[in-house]
Amino acid sequence: DAGITQSPRHKVTETGTPVTLRCHQTENHRYMYWYRQDPGHGLRLIHYSYGVKDTDKGEVSDGYSVSRSKTEDFLLTLESATSSQTSVYFCAISESSRGSGNTIYFGEGSWLTVV
Amino acid sequence: GENVEQHPSTLSVQEGDSAVIKCTYSDSASNYFPWYKQELGKRPQLIIDIRSNVGEKKDQRIAVTLNKTAKHFSLHITETQPEDSAVYFCAASIKGGNMLTFGGGTRLMVKP
Repeated sequence: DAGITQSPRHKVTETGTPVTLRCHQTENHRYMYWYRQDPGHGLRLIHYSYGVKDTDKGEVSDGYSVSRSKTEDFLLTLESATSSQTSVYFCAISESSRGSGNTIYFGEGSWLTVV
Repeated sequence: GENVEQHPSTLSVQEGDSAVIKCTYSDSASNYFPWYKQELGKRPQLIIDIRSNVGEKKDQRIAVTLNKTAKHFSLHITETQPEDSAVYFCAASIKGGNMLTFGGGTRLMVKP
């Protein structure tokens, strides 16, 4: 296993409430990512971080924000949860690229249901 | 941006047969192509990868081929076993290799 812990692993929340998912790594890797996985859409990047306080948007970032105050922690916040954000969320980590491509390792996933 | 297409979306084979999954990508700058296997309720796990300076790579019963000119790469599984049943994802690197774009996945079912 790649030393990635996600919490909570399962959560049910109501529409309109804020939700924060936490990703913690013990590998001291520079890059951290949040993906969501939905049937028929594969894995889609929400946000990523390339260092402390350095973050950028992915392809499906609307309605999500992230923060990285320490190398080991990357938080994903749903500001006001909607039913369309019901999904499985995967955190991932990788070393910095030397131009030859990163190997990305995934956490165990967080199942979020918005009712 | 990069677009990765994966086919087929489902694949059913008899135990012992071979399985082939194909992916195409759009960004000629992509230079890293990993494959992940995801069992039901589990995380995606890297099973094999290939970089652009290599045309083929093998690891026991699995192999990956890359055709940079045609921008496609394929996963080959020989002598399939029931435990190979899972969803397989291909991916291609973007943004200098620091991120991946994934294909839509292939559900492989190996019938005993």
